[in-house]
Amino acid sequence: GAGVSQSPRYKVAKRGQDVALRCDPISGHVSLFWYQQALGQGPEFLTYFQNEAQLDKSGLPSDRFFAERPEGSVSTLKIQRTQQEDSAVYLCASSPSAGTRATDTQYFGPGTRLTVL
Amino acid sequence: GDSVTQMEGPVTLSEEAFLTINCTYTATGYPSLFWYVQYPGEGLQLLLKATKADDKGSNKGFEATYRKETTSFHLEKGSVQVSDSAVYFCALRGMVGSARQLTFGSGTQLTVLP
Repeated sequence: GAGVSQSPRYKVAKRGQDVALRCDPISGHVSLFWYQQALGQGPEFLTYFQNEAQLDKSGLPSDRFFAERPEGSVSTLKIQRTQQEDSAVYLCASSPSAGTRATDTQYFGPGTRLTVL
Repeated sequence: GDSVTQMEGPVTLSEEAFLTINCTYTATGYPSLFWYVQYPGEGLQLLLKATKADDKGSNKGFEATYRKETTSFHLEKGSVQVSDSAVYFCALRGMVGSARQLTFGSGTQLTVLP
């Protein structure tokens, strides 16, 4: 089954550490999204890639958050100097077309649960 | 900006009861509307969608109708099962911006008792 995969599934970090979260989208999908889901809340948009281009990073909460998708497939979300408020589930989603098609379905990965102590 | 307001939970029902989860939205233009479901320990899965006014999305016995006049997309099921226990999220995908990201409601926890 070639769904969206994410690794690691769980990550515990000490405050101040850097973390890197990986997303493998469905093969051939043009669009890739990162969302942050706090406990008991709905996911909130972080950033969007169309192939390797990061077209929207308006949801990134601070300059400690950085995302890349250098070859237009795998993406990495990096959080520097983690803080307790960064604790959340980080979700990756991909869709087959460019972001202009509002009707496209987004397919979600299982998420990475980040706990910052 | 775009927003989704969803009926707060948790909701507890007996098996075979009728389910309604209310969802209303605010958006520019004509968004697409979605219901996603999150089963315990699993990722978000698309349950159903509707892309224009008066469309009805349906799947696994669940239905929702895109009502532009009331800006609503309420989720219904005539007879719930224990296996429907999950968190349900209403979402919209708007018409503005290059990302066309999903905007989610806060989720409704459903528990179905045997």
